[in-house]
Amino acid sequence: QKEVEQDPGPLSVPEGAIVSLNCTYSNSAFQYFMWYRQYSRKGPELLMYTYSSGNKEDGRFTAQVDKSSKYISLFIRDSQPSDSATYLCAMSADNDMRFGAGTRLTVKP
Amino acid sequence: EPEVTQTPSHQVTQMGQEVILRCVPISNHLYFYWYRQILGQKVEFLVSFYNNEISEKSEIFDDQFSVERPDGSNFTLKIRSTKLEDSAMYFCASSEAGGTGELFFGEGSRLTVL
Repeated sequence: QKEVEQDPGPLSVPEGAIVSLNCTYSNSAFQYFMWYRQYSRKGPELLMYTYSSGNKEDGRFTAQVDKSSKYISLFIRDSQPSDSATYLCAMSADNDMRFGAGTRLTVKP
Repeated sequence: EPEVTQTPSHQVTQMGQEVILRCVPISNHLYFYWYRQILGQKVEFLVSFYNNEISEKSEIFDDQFSVERPDGSNFTLKIRSTKLEDSAMYFCASSEAGGTGELFFGEGSRLTVL
């Protein structure tokens, strides 16, 4: 079993849709949970960061962490064409971070 | 806004040659990382570095890889005797504190091994 599982997609939605992205993980030692956005040929850019279980909201983005289920989610409301990118979940314990495979999202105008 | 810078942006090398990828982390950051991403695949952790020594490394980071912080600003990844399968984007990242996940990534160095 991989440490971090993420459906690579691709996922295509119309502009304005609510997008749900998810990851599962196996290592219960993970304490920090992140979502990164990666545009083509660019480095990952931190979008959301949460510690332990709970929800965090930032504008159109909401991150949820359920440690009991080892499941994290990212919701994007009112999706825009500029949201088209690959979204990587990541989680860490100590000094290294593990990434999911990334989900490629396209938001069509 | 401070950023992580990487050079070169693209390097083409022959199999068996040595390559050095350079990174300048954000100046007040203490933790440094290298990741790689093979085209179309996931971002993979290679190594983390703190206090002038490796703190974690993955199974990918074998004896052909080494890291160094030679002068207090640069952070380098050396690949000895490159193989075809080393072709990938190599991302440097830095963070102010370890383990918290707030990594800042550079734009990446694309390595092509022929």
